[in-house]
Amino acid sequence: AQRVTQPEKLLSVFKGAPVELKCNYSYSGSPELFWYVQYSRQRLQLLLRHISRESIKGFTADLNKGETSFHLKKPFAQEEDSAMYYCALISRLGGSQGNLIFGKGTKLSVKP
Amino acid sequence: NAGVTQTPKFRVLKTGQSMTLLCAQDMNHEYMYWYRQDPGMGLRLIHYSVGEGTTAKGEVPDGYNVSRLKKQNFLLGLESAAPSQTSVYFCASSAMGPYGYTFGSGTRLTVV
Repeated sequence: AQRVTQPEKLLSVFKGAPVELKCNYSYSGSPELFWYVQYSRQRLQLLLRHISRESIKGFTADLNKGETSFHLKKPFAQEEDSAMYYCALISRLGGSQGNLIFGKGTKLSVKP
Repeated sequence: NAGVTQTPKFRVLKTGQSMTLLCAQDMNHEYMYWYRQDPGMGLRLIHYSVGEGTTAKGEVPDGYNVSRLKKQNFLLGLESAAPSQTSVYFCASSAMGPYGYTFGSGTRLTVV
């Protein structure tokens, strides 16, 4: 089964502390993964995609096929990072182009 | 440039009533999606469309119908609302399938 698991509903850290939001996936084949973020009263927006290996707002995520993980990391959390974070995987069933399936999300709270 | 617009933003329905949610995009995107977001469940795909005149079922299609008569509009219908359909509904569109969604701001629906 194709599945995305985010084991933490809530992650609370202090400003300046490192952050790691966990994402594990189940997928047969080469996975394509993304992180989306939803700030308070704003729309869901794409944060980063694994294929581009980019760093957005100081966040990075590395695909680890051995551990089937795509954890989101930031070395020094800022208060403005407080948001809901969703890990997403392209699901290709029946030969379709694919759709995104999302994890249940982790709420990150960065305290001053 | 409005992007993805959802109407209405809020609605309260009585059990058994029907309604239609409208999603409109002005980016000439081929792909459009309807998701529902429930606490602790993340986002789940209801229906999607890969182009004008096409629709397909997602993960949780029961109780919903959709239509894509015009490229820019994707309608989600509830024929007979049930309390289990209380949720926040998000529409998304994309030019590249699952590779970059643009989300609407959501419709909060309560069925009493």
